[in-house]
Amino acid sequence: SQKIEQNSEALNIQEGKTATLTCNYTNYSPAYLQWYRQDPGRGPVFLLLIRENEKEKRKERLKVTFDTTLKQSLFHITASQPADSATYLCALTSGGFKTIFGAGTRLFVKA
Amino acid sequence: DARVTQTPRHKVTEMGQEVTMRCQPILGHNTVFWYRQTMMQGLELLAYFRNRAPLDDSGMPKDRFSAEMPDATLATLKIQPSEPRDSAVYFCASGLDRGNYFGPGTRLTVL
Repeated sequence: SQKIEQNSEALNIQEGKTATLTCNYTNYSPAYLQWYRQDPGRGPVFLLLIRENEKEKRKERLKVTFDTTLKQSLFHITASQPADSATYLCALTSGGFKTIFGAGTRLFVKA
Repeated sequence: DARVTQTPRHKVTEMGQEVTMRCQPILGHNTVFWYRQTMMQGLELLAYFRNRAPLDDSGMPKDRFSAEMPDATLATLKIQPSEPRDSAVYFCASGLDRGNYFGPGTRLTVL
């Protein structure tokens, strides 16, 4: 069955460092992959989308890589800040527009 | 600033009662999703529509859940009869294949 794996353990890093989150998937051929941020009590917020034919995407301090051979995406936040603390969700979209989510990874950035 | 709206924001009901949740997607978006989020299961896809046509509702318990999109400005999710295990936050999201935008969610509690 289709499966998306994100590190279930929380990631704790120091302010100013780069946070790297991982998303692995199996039994899926996504047309594109998305990353979202979710704060407690709120809906997910879209951050970045990367298509199957793209290797890397950047937006301000965010960078996403997508390796369809390894079936993996890496999400980087450079110069992290305490305000970046949240849960980050990976989502895969098929050619039929179906979008499913991973369980998310909690990020804590300490000042 | 266009947003997805959902009503009600909170709903407490008794087992066996009918629950209807409503969503107004962002005008012009061609894909609408319904998700359910719990601590144990994360974000589960219940159903989604493309240009108002239902594409996949395999994530929903068919005997009690139904999703419709009577027009481009309204999507509904109905549970009849509701059960305690349906307690969760229900999110609506809409998008244009460039990332999806989530509503604030409906927090449902079934006693």
